[in-house]
Amino acid sequence: GENVEQHPSTLSVQEGDSAVIKCTYSDSASNYFPWYKQELGKRPQLIIDIRSNVGEKKDQRIAVTLNKTAKHFSLHITETQPEDSAVYFCAASVSILTGGGNKLTFGTGTQLKVEL
Amino acid sequence: NAGVTQTPKFRVLKTGQSMTLLCAQDMNHEYMYWYRQDPGMGLRLIHYSVGEGTTAKGEVPDGYNVSRLKKQNFLLGLESAAPSQTSVYFCASSATGTGDYEQYFGPGTRLTVT
Repeated sequence: GENVEQHPSTLSVQEGDSAVIKCTYSDSASNYFPWYKQELGKRPQLIIDIRSNVGEKKDQRIAVTLNKTAKHFSLHITETQPEDSAVYFCAASVSILTGGGNKLTFGTGTQLKVEL
Repeated sequence: NAGVTQTPKFRVLKTGQSMTLLCAQDMNHEYMYWYRQDPGMGLRLIHYSVGEGTTAKGEVPDGYNVSRLKKQNFLLGLESAAPSQTSVYFCASSATGTGDYEQYFGPGTRLTVT
């Protein structure tokens, strides 16, 4: 089955700096790569996702890059703010059926702390 | 629009007891999922469903059963709880045919088995 590795496990940055979290996956058939943010005691919430036919996607301060050849993808957060502090999870999946539905395999998470 | 809801929010069980966790969604989603989250680990898929009346095993299905009798509900059962099943359980749902792959998560159920 799919195996997703995520690094680093903890990341501390100064406010305004950039943060980068990296993930690798094992199954070359994986075609969907979401990133979730989870605050303490809360549910995971999708912040950005990318599909295998796209190399990069950006949404304001957040961007994701995908290298299918190397089987790795990364989350980039620029101009970090204290409210960015949370645990971030990457995931990879192969579609269950065409048109939607994915069996997500998650990484082990990165605790991001943005210090003032 | 409540999204995805889960009941109960918290539960403490003794080893060997049984219980059912309920997940409900009001977004008319075809796909529903159950995950467990343990400290230091990401979420792991227990079971999933691609539609009413269907279920399938995920990554860690042992010790759990599921049912999807109605499209909006997905039940997770523990027949004989074990301490290893102490975890936070999240339900999620996703649409089909819309191009939206996002899985929408419920608030979670914190289960402790003593």
